[in-house]
Amino acid sequence: QKEVEQNSGPLSVPEGAIASLNCTYSDRGSQSFFWYRQYSGKSPELIMSIYSNGDKEDGRFTAQLNKASQYVSLLIRDSQPSDSATYLCAVSQLRGNQFYFGTGTSLTVIP
Amino acid sequence: DVKVTQSSRYLVKRTGEKVFLECVQDMDHENMFWYRQDPGLGLRLIYFSYDVKMKEKGDIPEGYSVSREKKERFSLILESASTNQTSMYLCASSSASGGQETQYFGPGTRLLVL
Repeated sequence: QKEVEQNSGPLSVPEGAIASLNCTYSDRGSQSFFWYRQYSGKSPELIMSIYSNGDKEDGRFTAQLNKASQYVSLLIRDSQPSDSATYLCAVSQLRGNQFYFGTGTSLTVIP
Repeated sequence: DVKVTQSSRYLVKRTGEKVFLECVQDMDHENMFWYRQDPGLGLRLIYFSYDVKMKEKGDIPEGYSVSREKKERFSLILESASTNQTSMYLCASSSASGGQETQYFGPGTRLLVL
């Protein structure tokens, strides 16, 4: 069983819509959760980190964590074509700060 | 701003060659990581290091070794490159203190082994 699972997509949304990206993880001891954005041919860049249950908002981005359901999501409001990228979910179990990454969800925002 | 740099963006090597990939970070981070990224397989951890001269195997260490002689520098070595090591290699670093363990990535090295 994979540690971190994401729907690979592709996910397509029209410009201005809300994009919803989902991630589930298998280890209940997981402590820290991260969303990275990766443009084609580039390296991952951090968008959000979340450590406790609930919502965390940063501009157009909202991360949601539900540890009971082992589920973390990323909402992108007012999606822009520049948001088109692959979004990686990462989970840390604090075993030496090792991260476990999902395989990513490809998002396309259609103008 | 955290800066992680990698020695090459693109590299072409022949089968059997010894390959060195270098990574340098300027934020005094204790932890450094080497990943490879392949389509459909995501990011896979090769090796990581918590401190100078310390190293730990990740999920796919076979065919690789690492060196960390200085805190800011973490090298990945392909002892005898093979075609199945053609991949994107990503270095990352993170701080070990205060729960701020966000990993910051370098720009990546795209390696082609012929």
